[in-house]
Amino acid sequence: SQKIEQNSEALNIQEGKTATLTCNYTNYSPAYLQWYRQDPGRGPVFLLLIRENEKEKRKERLKVTFDTTLKQSLFHITASQPADSATYLCALPDSGGGADGLTFGKGTHLIIQP
Amino acid sequence: DGGITQSPKYLFRKEGQNVTLSCEQNLNHDAMYWYRQDPGQGLRLIYYSQIVNDFQKGDIAEGYSVSREKKESFPLTVTSAQKNPTAFYLCASSLLPGQRMNTEAFFGQGTRLTVV
Repeated sequence: SQKIEQNSEALNIQEGKTATLTCNYTNYSPAYLQWYRQDPGRGPVFLLLIRENEKEKRKERLKVTFDTTLKQSLFHITASQPADSATYLCALPDSGGGADGLTFGKGTHLIIQP
Repeated sequence: DGGITQSPKYLFRKEGQNVTLSCEQNLNHDAMYWYRQDPGQGLRLIYYSQIVNDFQKGDIAEGYSVSREKKESFPLTVTSAQKNPTAFYLCASSLLPGQRMNTEAFFGQGTRLTVV
């Protein structure tokens, strides 16, 4: 199965700056990669999906890149706000399709300081 | 409103008891999943189901059981055989890849189970 590594330490960013989170995987190249946001005591919420043939995907202040050579995805939040503080999870399909469930990283805790 | 509902939000269990966690979705999704989340850990897959009356074990199925008698419902039973059941349990659903490529998972709000 896939092994996923995300920054295990909390990431502290000053409000207004760009936050960059990293997701590295070690086994097969997935057909796509997803990012989720999770707030304390709540279920994850889907943010973005990027396919293997896409280099970059944007949604409002969010940007995701996918480098299949490096086996890495970067997740950027521009003009960060305190409300962006949460844990961000990277997820990949187990079998290449996703019907067998997603493998999640442990997540990176992002703190945006006013 | 369409969504996925878990109940209860908090659950306390005595050692040796079985408990059942509820998960209902009205999104018309074929696939449903149960994950467990422990502090500092990622989500770990317990069981999943792609169709009614069929389900498969995930990475940590020991001590758990599920059923899928209806498309909308995927209850999880934590049995007394689960040695360390205290955790945050998350149910999710999605379309199958054949229905819509690369689809996302929709999660419930979770059930926090504590053994007392």
